[in-house]
Amino acid sequence: GDSVTQMEGPVTLSEEAFLTINCTYTATGYPSLFWYVQYPGEGLQLLLKATKADDKGSNKGFEATYRKETTSFHLEKGSVQVSDSAVYFCALMYDSGTYKYIFGTGTRLKVLA
Amino acid sequence: NAGVMQNPRHLVRRRGQEARLRCSPMKGHSHVYWYRQLPEEGLKFMVYLQKENIIDESGMPKERFSAEFPKEGPSILRIQQVVRGDSAAYFCASSQFRQSQETQYFGPGTRLLVL
Repeated sequence: GDSVTQMEGPVTLSEEAFLTINCTYTATGYPSLFWYVQYPGEGLQLLLKATKADDKGSNKGFEATYRKETTSFHLEKGSVQVSDSAVYFCALMYDSGTYKYIFGTGTRLKVLA
Repeated sequence: NAGVMQNPRHLVRRRGQEARLRCSPMKGHSHVYWYRQLPEEGLKFMVYLQKENIIDESGMPKERFSAEFPKEGPSILRIQQVVRGDSAAYFCASSQFRQSQETQYFGPGTRLLVL
């Protein structure tokens, strides 16, 4: 079945370091791909998305490119800040009529000053 | 414009008790989705509701779990006779329309602990 696999955390970085959080997916069709972020005590917020192959989603300095050939959607940021500390979830969604997300397990990021 | 509200944020129950989790969608949203996050796992879809209708409950356990979204008031996820394995974070999301690219807005979740 369809699934999303994320790198295990926690990921600990110093401020201004480069961030990569790996995400790969298994899908029988052509889903849209998403990154959600969850700050402590809050709900998940949509960070960025891409709806078709080679699309790049970007927001708040974060980027991810939909790579069909490698079935990946890795999240990157050139220079992280302490305020980026959160849990990041990769997800896919099909237009199956009910619009269910399939989420990865989440990757916790901790940025040290 | 308030976001998706969930209450309680934390709920402790003893085995055999009932748990009621509430979700108030964003204003103007008539589509509600419930997800469960077990420890060390990703969020998993449970049920999708519109006002007064269950559209898809394919992710709901067959027994003890039920959900409703009445014409007035919040959506309720009800777990009867809770067991320790029900301990998880339960997230609610809402959307305005039922379209393929419609963003779902998530609430902060209810953390259920069964003793």
